[in-house]
Amino acid sequence: DTGVSQDPRHKITKRGQNVTFRCDPISEHNRLYWYRQTLGQGPEFLTYFQNEAQLEKSRLLSDRFSAERPKGSFSTLEIQRTEQGDSAMYLCASSLTGTVHEQYFGPGTRLTVT
Amino acid sequence: SQKIEQNSEALNIQEGKTATLTCNYTNYSPAYLQWYRQDPGRGPVFLLLIRENEKEKRKERLKVTFDTTLKQSLFHITASQPADSATYLCALDYDGGSQGNLIFGKGTKLSVKP
Repeated sequence: DTGVSQDPRHKITKRGQNVTFRCDPISEHNRLYWYRQTLGQGPEFLTYFQNEAQLEKSRLLSDRFSAERPKGSFSTLEIQRTEQGDSAMYLCASSLTGTVHEQYFGPGTRLTVT
Repeated sequence: SQKIEQNSEALNIQEGKTATLTCNYTNYSPAYLQWYRQDPGRGPVFLLLIRENEKEKRKERLKVTFDTTLKQSLFHITASQPADSATYLCALDYDGGSQGNLIFGKGTKLSVKP
């Protein structure tokens, strides 16, 4: 399968714990995006990378959130000291650079903070 | 700030009819607009992209229009089928199209009854 993959698909954690999610983009895509989606809402942009450089971060991304994309391949999103409000679906997407920006999404990681 | 509205949270139609979904935006002039389909528990899937200088785009049974004067896009599915039942999201670039970062609407849940 050459699509975007995310791991894990589901994560249940207790409040205050740290969690890390992984995203493997389509191999030839140099742009990678993280979104958060809550029930009944559309995806909300969190951050994006072009190759290994993190070029933009949303104000939604508090200092408890950090993302990396070492070597411009896979990316990780870490949430420290999780809160119940962090419960959501975390989506990763990738795209090519250029004038056409359709994004290819992974299946998401469903986070539940108890 | 930019605002996107998808006028209906839910749309129920009969198989074979044409479904028309609406996306309106304010305080903004996007370079392009995209439509995605999302099934429960899965990531969005790209359907169509239309640029600001295009009035209409078609793909099989799908048609998208883009009226930059009205600040509105219409998404049509002709000869609808139960398999078309899903949530449809519209998304706009919010940075002039240079980086591909998207703002999504909340989506319209389409149900096609046999």
